[in-house]
Amino acid sequence: AQSVTQLGSHVSVSEGALVLLRCNYSSSVPPYLFWYVQYPNQGLQLLLKYTSAATLVKGINGFEAEFKKSETSFHLTKPSAHMSDAAEYFCAVRGLTGGGNKLTFGTGTQLKVEL
Amino acid sequence: DTAVSQTPKYLVTQMGNDKSIKCEQNLGHDTMYWYKQDSKKFLKIMFSYNNKELIINETVPNRFSPKSPDKAHLNLHINSLELGDSAVYFCASSQGLAERETQYFGPGTRLLVL
Repeated sequence: AQSVTQLGSHVSVSEGALVLLRCNYSSSVPPYLFWYVQYPNQGLQLLLKYTSAATLVKGINGFEAEFKKSETSFHLTKPSAHMSDAAEYFCAVRGLTGGGNKLTFGTGTQLKVEL
Repeated sequence: DTAVSQTPKYLVTQMGNDKSIKCEQNLGHDTMYWYKQDSKKFLKIMFSYNNKELIINETVPNRFSPKSPDKAHLNLHINSLELGDSAVYFCASSQGLAERETQYFGPGTRLLVL
C-alpha cells in the first residue's frame, strides 16, 4: 500500500521568500507522485507529477519538486513566493489497487503568504 | 469549455433525504472518480469507474450508489442522508487506469446535511 505524509499542516512565508512544502512517501513499488493545489472554494489543479523520468520535475506557476529515493521525499519548492500562491497544497501517490487506480492524498499543507 | 463539471455546486438538505450529484467530463477520458473531502480537508477516494465498469469501491456505505450511464458521466446518488455526509464531493477523470495518468478534478459539490 502507498501513503504520503505532509509535514506541517500550515506554512507561512513572506512574499518573495522561498517556499518549501514537505512530502514523504511510503511505497513498496516505484511510486508515481503528484502535487495538487486547491484554491479556496475550488477544485484541485495539478501542479506537477513525477513518473520515473527526470527526478527534478518542473510544474506550473514556478513550482518544482525533486524526487529523492534515498530520502523517500518529494518536496515542493518555489524560489520566490507570491501572494497568489496562498492555497492548500496536496501531495499524492498513485498505485494500482486490485486492478484499479487509486490516488492517495496527504493531509494537505495550508500555505499563507504574508507581505 | 469546462473539462470536468459538477452540478449542483451547493446542496443543502435535511437528514433522511435522498439526493444526487451529477458529473460530466468532456475530455474523452475512460476513467472517472468520486472523492470526498471532509471538514479537515482530507481527501479520500470513494469510487472509480473505467468504461462504465466499477473498479474501486472504498468501503463506502451502500447508501452511496454511483451510476455511470456512459463514459462521460458519473453520477452519485445518496440515500437517507446523514449529518456525517456533509462534505465536499469531487468528481475527477483520467485518460485511463495507468499510474502516470493525471486526474482532472471538477469544482466540487458542497453538501450540507442539516
